Amino acid sequence: EPEVTQTPSHQVTQMGQEVILRCVPISNHLYFYWYRQILGQKVEFLVSFYNNEISEKSEIFDDQFSVERPDGSNFTLKIRSTKLEDSAMYFCASSSGGTGYGYTFGSGTRLTVV
Amino acid sequence: GESVGLHLPTLSVQEGDNSIINCAYSNSASDYFIWYKQESGKGPQFIIDIRSNMDKRQGQRVTVLLNKTVKHLSLQIAATQPGDSAVYFCAENLKRGGFKTIFGAGTRLFVKA
Repeated sequence: EPEVTQTPSHQVTQMGQEVILRCVPISNHLYFYWYRQILGQKVEFLVSFYNNEISEKSEIFDDQFSVERPDGSNFTLKIRSTKLEDSAMYFCASSSGGTGYGYTFGSGTRLTVV
Repeated sequence: GESVGLHLPTLSVQEGDNSIINCAYSNSASDYFIWYKQESGKGPQFIIDIRSNMDKRQGQRVTVLLNKTVKHLSLQIAATQPGDSAVYFCAENLKRGGFKTIFGAGTRLFVKA
């Protein structure tokens, strides 16, 4: 069964450092998403991406965040200057349609900012 | 508003019994709803979905019911098994010039052997 792959599984970074979280969505999917989940809390929407541009973003997704699809297979989330409160699980997801379709999620990257 | 919330944070059931997990949503314009299951250390996993033009949809051992009048969604799991122990999220698919799915707070299901 096709999978969404995320790397690394765990990233520890110093506060103020830049991090890039990587995702390989399902190959024939056209819509891509990043979500985050602070420990024990709900899954929060960050951004959706379609046709090489951001489709929608949440209030969390401020100027410190950016997304990119650098080639035909990868989808990345960059946090420019990490804060302690950025510590969370970050999930990438993809779908074949924009609405009316369930998402396939990756296993996540646990980001720990120290 | 665009909130999706759950009535109970935890649910404990005996193995073999049926489970019912409830969810309330507030955006009457939403037209697509999904239930996701999240096991410890994993990402959310799609279980079943329903469009707003339906009241009920059945899958393998799972049924989703949608009551648009009271904006209520439920997930029924038949013959609950230990492997069903997880956190269950209802989610609401919104399109307002963009694409996103909003998750509810989650219900943790414990299955007692």
